[in-house]
Amino acid sequence: AQSVSQHNHHVILSEAASLELGCNYSYGGTVNLFWYVQYPGQHLQLLLKYFSGDPLVKGIKGFEAEFIKSKFSFNLRKPSVQWSDTAEYFCAAGTYKYIFGTGTRLKVLA
Amino acid sequence: NAGVTQTPKFRVLKTGQSMTLLCAQDMNHEYMYWYRQDPGMGLRLIHYSVGEGTTAKGEVPDGYNVSRLKKQNFLLGLESAAPSQTSVYFCASTLPRENRKSSGANVLTFGAGSRLTVL
Repeated sequence: AQSVSQHNHHVILSEAASLELGCNYSYGGTVNLFWYVQYPGQHLQLLLKYFSGDPLVKGIKGFEAEFIKSKFSFNLRKPSVQWSDTAEYFCAAGTYKYIFGTGTRLKVLA
Repeated sequence: NAGVTQTPKFRVLKTGQSMTLLCAQDMNHEYMYWYRQDPGMGLRLIHYSVGEGTTAKGEVPDGYNVSRLKKQNFLLGLESAAPSQTSVYFCASTLPRENRKSSGANVLTFGAGSRLTVL
């Protein structure tokens, strides 16, 4: 069965700390991978995506993610978080049927 | 260009009542989706459609029906609402990746959400 797992449900960081959110997927065949973000009171927006090629992808606002095929992982990273990064982050996988993880609530303390 | 529009934005139902959520997109997207978002559960796929006249079950289809009679619309119906269906519902749409003219292919565009409460 297709599935996406996010292991960190709640993360609290101070500004300037580094961030890494884990995502593992189970999907037969080629799969597209995504990270979406939901800021408080808003709907989901794309942070970054991986379809093929360079496994290290860069997204908006300084976020990046690394696709490791052997580990079925697509972890999200940011070297230095800001208070404005407080949001819920969702990993997703699919080709036409898109499955989301349970999300990670990130709170950044000023 | 409105993107993805969901109506209604809020609705309160009594157990057993029926209702329909409407999703409309003006981007000529082939694929459309209905998700529900619940605390600690993330987004769960209810039903989806890969083209006009086609629908398929997602992860949590029970208690819901859908129709895609027109390419731009995707309707989600609750025939007999239950308290367990209290949730925020999101519609999304995208183009298939074969549409290489669009950099947005395979990227979901979401609506603003519809908050449904079943008493």
